[in-house]
Amino acid sequence: ELKVEQNPLFLSMQEGKNYTIYCNYSTTSDRLYWYRQDPGKSLESLFVLLSNGAVKQEGRLMASLDTKARLSTLHITAAVHDLSATYFCAVDVSIKAAGNKLTFGGGTRVLVKP
Amino acid sequence: DTAVSQTPKYLVTQMGNDKSIKCEQNLGHDTMYWYKQDSKKFLKIMFSYNNKELIINETVPNRFSPKSPDKAHLNLHINSLELGDSAVYFCASSYGQLNSPLHFGNGTRLTVT
Repeated sequence: ELKVEQNPLFLSMQEGKNYTIYCNYSTTSDRLYWYRQDPGKSLESLFVLLSNGAVKQEGRLMASLDTKARLSTLHITAAVHDLSATYFCAVDVSIKAAGNKLTFGGGTRVLVKP
Repeated sequence: DTAVSQTPKYLVTQMGNDKSIKCEQNLGHDTMYWYKQDSKKFLKIMFSYNNKELIINETVPNRFSPKSPDKAHLNLHINSLELGDSAVYFCASSYGQLNSPLHFGNGTRLTVT
């Protein structure tokens, strides 16, 4: 059974500093997704990583994927308050084109303090 | 112009009742899903449909029955509600491709008393 583990589970950040969230998974996959969820809200797709060495950047967020290590990282540069949210990684091991079966990590709750 | 819309947003009901949650997407996707998020924010897939055909059916009690009248709609009916069914239920949709991200609805918070 696929296991997806994120750490840390909670991250208290200071504005202006850099931080990294880690996502480890237990089986071979080259499809990994990052989502953001604000309290009481839906999940917003941040990044789709589809190959070993893939790197995607959007604003202060950068995600990377190392399929050999079964590890993805979400790096936050110069944290700002607006980045406070829960971040989820999700791994897909579907073999059928229809029915992506995402297994989510437990989430990392990020709180950025001034 | 909401892409994936669910109704109702909140649902409070008593044990033993039967309730339904509706979901519609206007993104032209051919695959739809139901996910459950528990009180610890853990997300787990329940079902997925592709063009009205059931593709994924995880270990979910038979009291949960999804129905997809067409590829733009996926409803979830729950019979004989139990306290443990309290959670947030998210509908999502995607293209039926291996690299297509899921687009989630705003969730339905179900509280069983």
